Amino acid sequence: ETGVTQTPRHLVMGMTNKKSLKCEQHLGHNAMYWYKQSAKKPLELMFVYSLEERVENNSVPSRFSPECPNSSHLFLHLHTLQPEDSALYLCASSQTSGEETQYFGPGTRLLVL
Amino acid sequence: AQTVTQSQPEMSVQEAETVTLSCTYDTSESDYYLFWYKQPPSRQMILVIRQEAYKQQNATENRFSVNFQKAAKSFSLKISDSQLGDAAMYFCAYSRGAQKLVFGQGTRLTINP
Repeated sequence: ETGVTQTPRHLVMGMTNKKSLKCEQHLGHNAMYWYKQSAKKPLELMFVYSLEERVENNSVPSRFSPECPNSSHLFLHLHTLQPEDSALYLCASSQTSGEETQYFGPGTRLLVL
Repeated sequence: AQTVTQSQPEMSVQEAETVTLSCTYDTSESDYYLFWYKQPPSRQMILVIRQEAYKQQNATENRFSVNFQKAAKSFSLKISDSQLGDAAMYFCAYSRGAQKLVFGQGTRLTINP
């Protein structure tokens, strides 16, 4: 595997379910990100991790819980989601210097029923 | 807060012709980075081109080039010799440290054979 991978690619869940999205980067980067992409809206930054520490949390509801166990892996734990949380969730990674280019995974298409 | 505006929700071009996608941004900073990303139907966000604001020379990557007008805060993307594989959503993005990318709303580009 190369680049940034995400699993699953598609996920359907009920509002009472608990699920997790996984992201893995094979680029030797130290920063990882979660973005939400909804229809007809710009990408929204959700969380930023640098050297496994959370450095950004853009007022994301607590039903989204990120976890970064090491610099190569990033999880997004989901629980009691709402239908409006249905979206494409993109993971990205970069070096930690701030202005470095971000490289994206293919995304997880989430549908909340 | 920085904002990025793409005023063309959709564009179309004949195969082999040239098309220009527009992007404007708002910032009070003098040192920053600008990007164009491409998102094909496969959903993977792919970096097309990157421009450092301190560089006066416009960035070029093969058939892709930018017209960076710093005073006007304009950053347009020119695609020459358009190919069917260029069909995608194109996102303009701004970065000013702290590993934050601010995206525009996107322009959907259609290539007509």
